[in-house]
Amino acid sequence: GGIITQTPKFLIGQEGQKLTLKCQQNFNHDTMYWYRQDSGKGLRLIYYSITENDLQKGDLSEGYDASREKKSSFSLTVTSAQKNEMAVFLCASSIGTGGGQNTLYFGAGTRLSVL
Amino acid sequence: GDQVEQSPSALSLHEGTSSALRCNFTTTTRSVQWFRQNSRGSLINLFYLASGTKENGRLKSAFDSKELYSTLHIRDAQLEDSGTYFCAAGPRTGGYKVVFGSGTRLLVSP
Repeated sequence: GGIITQTPKFLIGQEGQKLTLKCQQNFNHDTMYWYRQDSGKGLRLIYYSITENDLQKGDLSEGYDASREKKSSFSLTVTSAQKNEMAVFLCASSIGTGGGQNTLYFGAGTRLSVL
Repeated sequence: GDQVEQSPSALSLHEGTSSALRCNFTTTTRSVQWFRQNSRGSLINLFYLASGTKENGRLKSAFDSKELYSTLHIRDAQLEDSGTYFCAAGPRTGGYKVVFGSGTRLLVSP
């Protein structure tokens, strides 16, 4: 088995601040994802990466940057936090072979609040 | 873009009863995944289907890729089944993008 670790668990930022969220996985999975979940809503894809140094935009990439410097880690940057923004950011990974089973495994999330 | 429509948006069941959740896709998807999110926000993968049906205990899921839908049946509902259930489409053949529906909030009461 493996685990996905997201840090920090809680993040409080100021309006306009650049904020970075980190995600580590020890599944040795190729593909990693960042999703945003607003209260009571579904998950929206921000960025994904199919291998080290690869980045693919999701439906919600504006306002975010991402970085996949190592196979095991995928970070997300909020380039300018919006006032009163509150959301949970979820990191996931999958084997991602493109032809086989791509079950997603999720981390526990980072809860963001912007003052 | 690709859309995943889940129904119902909310569901209340009494313990011991059964029901089904549905997921409709607007475009062809190679696979579907079902997740349950608990009150702490943790997402647990319930099923991954490329076709046909799968069963795990009181849960059973079916996927018809030609008819563009998937279902999740809950039999003999228990209190611990409460939570939000999400289906996710994808990835498509040769792709990696996985798109989620808006979820079904299930409350099981005594």
